[in-house]
Amino acid sequence: NAGVTQTPKFRILKIGQSMTLQCTQDMNHNYMYWYRQDPGMGLKLIYYSVGAGITDKGEVPNGYNVSRSTTEDFPLRLELAAPSQTSVYFCASSPGGVGTGNTIYFGEGSWLTVV
Amino acid sequence: AQSVTQLDSQVPVFEEAPVELRCNYSSSVSVYLFWYVQYPNQGLQLLLKYLSGSTLVKGINGFEAEFNKSQTSFHLRKPSVHISDTAEYFCAVSAQFGNEKLTFGTGTRLTIIP
Repeated sequence: NAGVTQTPKFRILKIGQSMTLQCTQDMNHNYMYWYRQDPGMGLKLIYYSVGAGITDKGEVPNGYNVSRSTTEDFPLRLELAAPSQTSVYFCASSPGGVGTGNTIYFGEGSWLTVV
Repeated sequence: AQSVTQLDSQVPVFEEAPVELRCNYSSSVSVYLFWYVQYPNQGLQLLLKYLSGSTLVKGINGFEAEFNKSQTSFHLRKPSVHISDTAEYFCAVSAQFGNEKLTFGTGTRLTIIP
């Protein structure tokens, strides 16, 4: 009953360091997403993917990269971390697009602090 | 483009009292509407969604919401709240047959007072 699993749960990075947030889902969903949640700001879409080998930018893609080599995995890479990337990151997946009313299933979040 | 406004950032309610969390949206096209709940230190999970049909939608944990197209609203209600309902609630909208963007409101923190 795993659903969407993301690691690590907590991480402290120094300015300029890079890291990858891992995300995997076991529901065979085609769509996967990365969101960030800042206090009082709701969730903002960073990147999304409609299937293996296909990715696209969301609202706030700068400073991030993604890849989708398999249906299950959708890692998010932070290059040259900046304090503005301090946030809670959520990976999510859905069987189809939200434009056809599909429900998005979220992971439990990764708390990232850049100092 | 779509936008969502949640009018109250915090709502304190006594246990067993009714609650309404307000959500208004803006869109030039037809939309789908969602309410998600986030319990402390957890991810979001779906409470309910409106796709079509009856404007009154029932969800999990006794919550319901009513879609009002003329007022562009999708308010969430529960007749009697419990301590376990303490959480943050997010309203979200997507364009029907549009791009893959789910636009979230800024959230309403519901605090239940014993």
